Amino acid sequence: NAGVTQTPKFQVLKTGQSMTLQCAQDMNHEYMSWYRQDPGMGLRLIHYSVGAGITDQGEVPNGYNVSRSTTEDFPLRLLSAAPSQTSVYFCASSYSPTPASGSPLHFGNGTRLTVT
Amino acid sequence: AQTVTQSQPEMSVQEAETVTLSCTYDTSENNYYLFWYKQPPSRQMILVIRQEAYKQQNATENRFSVNFQKAAKSFSLKISDSQLGDTAMYFCAFMKHTGANNLFFGTGTRLTVIP
Repeated sequence: NAGVTQTPKFQVLKTGQSMTLQCAQDMNHEYMSWYRQDPGMGLRLIHYSVGAGITDQGEVPNGYNVSRSTTEDFPLRLLSAAPSQTSVYFCASSYSPTPASGSPLHFGNGTRLTVT
Repeated sequence: AQTVTQSQPEMSVQEAETVTLSCTYDTSENNYYLFWYKQPPSRQMILVIRQEAYKQQNATENRFSVNFQKAAKSFSLKISDSQLGDTAMYFCAFMKHTGANNLFFGTGTRLTVIP
């Protein structure tokens, strides 16, 4: 049982390059989400999904795309990287998509992305 | 919109002493959840404690307890008998009772436990 797995752990991109941050969970969790963490700003929600085939925008979605073709995977795509996307990215998941069940969020260990 | 404010960017405490981290929030919701997360240098996000707004009793988890004041929209974290392993960033977070499991985070407090 690996939990929430993010790859890669570190990545350096040049401005304009594209890449996909991978997130996979093996806990059959319905809810998955992506956050970015910047110094002095805490974690901010980028996109989230409450089940396969369903995605929605969070607080800071611009410049990012997501898809949820399977329950297990929730990749985050940067189509044209910008220096403002330099950040640490966290994927999180929970069994229930709604808060009322008390299902806790499980976080991955993060991906540190630098865009030069 | 929900906002979460942590007004103490950095704090320090002597080992074995007690420290309190502050958090205030703003919401028009009547029912919601509040959390404290710990982020050690390993970058891992670890849930410390969870409070449901409709429960008047303050949550406790071993050395960690909260002081939840709903009317004042305040949610402070008390760490008793501080240990070196408590050195970390601490984030306060808010979640609505309805909708999806989305968290709104404060900007964090960096806590250093001094031996």
